[in-house]
Amino acid sequence: GQQLNQSPQSMFIQEGEDVSMNCTSSSIFNTWLWYKQDPGEGPVLLIALYKAGELTSNGRLTAQFGITRKDSFLNISASIPSDVGIYFCAGGTGTASKLTFGTGTRLQVTL
Amino acid sequence: SAVISQKPSRDICQRGTSLTIQCQVDSQVTMMFWYRQQPGQSLTLIATANQGSEATYESGFVIDKFPISRPNLTFSTLTVSNMSPEDSSIYLCSVGREGMGTQYFGPGTRLLVL
Repeated sequence: GQQLNQSPQSMFIQEGEDVSMNCTSSSIFNTWLWYKQDPGEGPVLLIALYKAGELTSNGRLTAQFGITRKDSFLNISASIPSDVGIYFCAGGTGTASKLTFGTGTRLQVTL
Repeated sequence: SAVISQKPSRDICQRGTSLTIQCQVDSQVTMMFWYRQQPGQSLTLIATANQGSEATYESGFVIDKFPISRPNLTFSTLTVSNMSPEDSSIYLCSVGREGMGTQYFGPGTRLLVL
């Protein structure tokens, strides 16, 4: 099935740095979601976006729904060690929404 | 968000056998989904579990291999049938409410097939 392209695939950053990752699709989505998955756990919802152009924050996280509805980005400011994990974007269509997931961005934070 | 539990949390199985995974939610939800996450990969939707009717399967997944039950609005099972090593994955259930675009995930079931 289709997967959304996420970049970068992985990143190593130092504690305190800002992080930016994005997700692109050839298809239009009505909803963009960002999840974080820790080892041995299920994905945890970080941010949900419902409208093109929408910019939403959750603490140090900020995400935007692209105006073309084919992309989204996630920024993490002032990274800390617990930000380590895999970040997935997901696009949804319709209200009964099946999700299509991105390929994931693996974030590692060094002290 | 709902509290979602899955049983078993992990299992090691022999090829040719079947395993049934349970997903329990602490509140009634309209939508339940089953995903597969192969080692080092992203999540792929297997099917939508429909309450009181047959599940809706995605391309590449069939009912004979992944039978699903959903007897009520808080519970669903996924069976992985006639397993082979290629079925070694994390299997995740998720829930959502109709009209809402968000889904919440259970902790997953880690399956290793020898």
